[in-house]
Amino acid sequence: QQQVKQSPQSLIVQKGGIPIINCAYENTAFDYFPWYQQFPGKGPALLIAIRPDVSEKKEGRFTISFNKSAKQFSLHIMDSQPGDSATYFCAARWSARQLTFGSGTQLTVLP
Amino acid sequence: DTGVSQNPRHKITKRGQNVTFRCDPISEHNRLYWYRQTLGQGPEFLTYFQNEAQLEKSRLLSDRFSAERPKGSFSTLEIQRTEQGDSAMYLCASRTTTEVYGYTFGSGTRLTVV
Repeated sequence: QQQVKQSPQSLIVQKGGIPIINCAYENTAFDYFPWYQQFPGKGPALLIAIRPDVSEKKEGRFTISFNKSAKQFSLHIMDSQPGDSATYFCAARWSARQLTFGSGTQLTVLP
Repeated sequence: DTGVSQNPRHKITKRGQNVTFRCDPISEHNRLYWYRQTLGQGPEFLTYFQNEAQLEKSRLLSDRFSAERPKGSFSTLEIQRTEQGDSAMYLCASRTTTEVYGYTFGSGTRLTVV
């Protein structure tokens, strides 16, 4: 119940493409859903986050879509750039406790 | 430096040795978390502190692992009698109690047990 399942494991897109990364969860008590970006040798950095009472949130080129009934959420990266090449993790948290992370998606944006 | 600082960045140790890692959180952050990340996986929760109190420990934290945050500031994570399976990146994160979205991660300590 504490798991967050993430797909795909890896993704390759051309510059300007819109990569989409998907996550699914089971625990309906989760109340906070962030996405983290991680570059090699660095810790994860918060990209964007959403609460379950909102269906969509945009920040710059990054958009989270949230489907509460399906218990799924996804990250869309608009106009992707080679600098977006990184590993992306979805996560979930309930009741101000620790984050539970997905297994990660390695994104490569080709120039 | 306003970030979360972790030392050392890399540690290579022989199996059976003890190792200790240090995390210096952002100064006003009263919550401090330790995570472990193995290659190709997401971070897994180990334990967290609110000030100096250790409030929760994961089942991943075996008896060989111990964490402290003696004065509610920096924290240490010690692994005794290291095993090859302990090889991983150990990440520290901190946040304030009230800023619920504000987890800030350090760059981690990469442990290699040979």
